[in-house]
Amino acid sequence: GIQVEQSPPDLILQEGANSTLRCNFSDSVNNLQWFHQNPWGQLINLFYIPSGTKQNGRLSATTVATERYSLLYISSSQTTDSGVYFCAASYSSASKIIFGSGTRLSIRP
Amino acid sequence: DAGVTQSPTHLIKTRGQQVTLRCSPKSGHDTVSWYQQALGQGPQFIFQYYEEEERQRGNFPDRFSGHQFPNYSSELNVNALLLGDSALYLCASSTRRASLNSPLHFGNGTRLTVT
Repeated sequence: GIQVEQSPPDLILQEGANSTLRCNFSDSVNNLQWFHQNPWGQLINLFYIPSGTKQNGRLSATTVATERYSLLYISSSQTTDSGVYFCAASYSSASKIIFGSGTRLSIRP
Repeated sequence: DAGVTQSPTHLIKTRGQQVTLRCSPKSGHDTVSWYQQALGQGPQFIFQYYEEEERQRGNFPDRFSGHQFPNYSSELNVNALLLGDSALYLCASSTRRASLNSPLHFGNGTRLTVT
């Protein structure tokens, strides 16, 4: 089955800094998503990105499916960006989705 | 447009009891998946329901069972609760009809505490 590994496990930054979160997956996938879990436990879908690059405001993501990795970029970090970022992958939405263990991001004011 | 809704938000049960958690998918979605998230870990896949049948299952014992209704809503049942079942239970919905690949949308979860 698919293995998903995320790095780094923890990241502490000052407000305004930029960050890059990485997700490696063990097999070819057709479904790759990034989520943000806020301190209240709510999981928000950031990107559905099985390949290519997408941008949404200060966030962008790139997936290189042939090399089995995805990157999430956060620019000009704000304290509200704090939380845990998860990468999740599956062969398709019809198959089970496997989550990585997450990157815990803390943005200091 | 209502998103994924789960109930209850919090629940406290005693070891050995049974619990039922409920989920209504996002409008237009027909597939419901359940996840268990222990403290400090990523969500773990329990099972997925489509067309009222369990389609995929993760590594969870038979104490975990589910159901999907004709209106696509779903229930997760856990029997003979153990202390280790304490976790945040998340429901996610997606659409299987339009495409084989669609993003997941999560509810806010039910936090279950077993004492």
